[in-house]
Amino acid sequence: GNSVTQMEGPVTLSEEAFLTINCTYTATGYPSLFWYVQYPGEGLQLLLKATKADDKGSNKGFEATYRKETTSFHLEKGSVQVSDSAVYFCALSDVISGTYKYIFGTGTRLKVLA
Amino acid sequence: NAGVTQTPKFQVLKTGQSMTLQCAQDMNHEYMSWYRQDPGMGLRLIHYSVGAGITDQGEVPNGYNVSRSTTEDFPLRLLSAAPSQTSVYFCASSYSNFNYGYTFGSGTRLTVV
Repeated sequence: GNSVTQMEGPVTLSEEAFLTINCTYTATGYPSLFWYVQYPGEGLQLLLKATKADDKGSNKGFEATYRKETTSFHLEKGSVQVSDSAVYFCALSDVISGTYKYIFGTGTRLKVLA
Repeated sequence: NAGVTQTPKFQVLKTGQSMTLQCAQDMNHEYMSWYRQDPGMGLRLIHYSVGAGITDQGEVPNGYNVSRSTTEDFPLRLLSAAPSQTSVYFCASSYSNFNYGYTFGSGTRLTVV
């Protein structure tokens, strides 16, 4: 079945460090892929997305490339800031049993230290 | 501002009480859903709706009811609150073309004592 696997957290980095959060997926169809961010006490916000293989989604310095050959959608940022501290969720959408469904990973907490 | 509005933001219930969590969106999204978020469990789908008058169960529907009489509103009703329903609840909406992604509300933090 469809699933999303994210690296376990928490991930702790110093300010200006390079960030990678791994995400791999299993899907029977041709899913769209997403990264969402959740700041403390808030709901999830869409960070970026990619709807087909080799697409690159980007926003606020974050990037992720849809890699069909490795079924991955890793989140990267070249230089993190303290304000990037949040929980990051990888997700896919696909048609499952005739209905569109979203599948979320369990989230990866990022802590950036000044 | 366009978006998903959830009320209340915080609620404390006694075991056995019932209540309704409200959710409204003004983006004309066809698809709406309710999730609960528990520590270490990620997001779990409770119920969802693909349009007015149509609802279906998610992975953890027991103890919850929903209705969708209009495109805008998707209330979640707790029938008889239990401590196991202590959680943060999120409502989300989307166009039926899921390529656009979800818009989430800011959540309702519910405590059942």
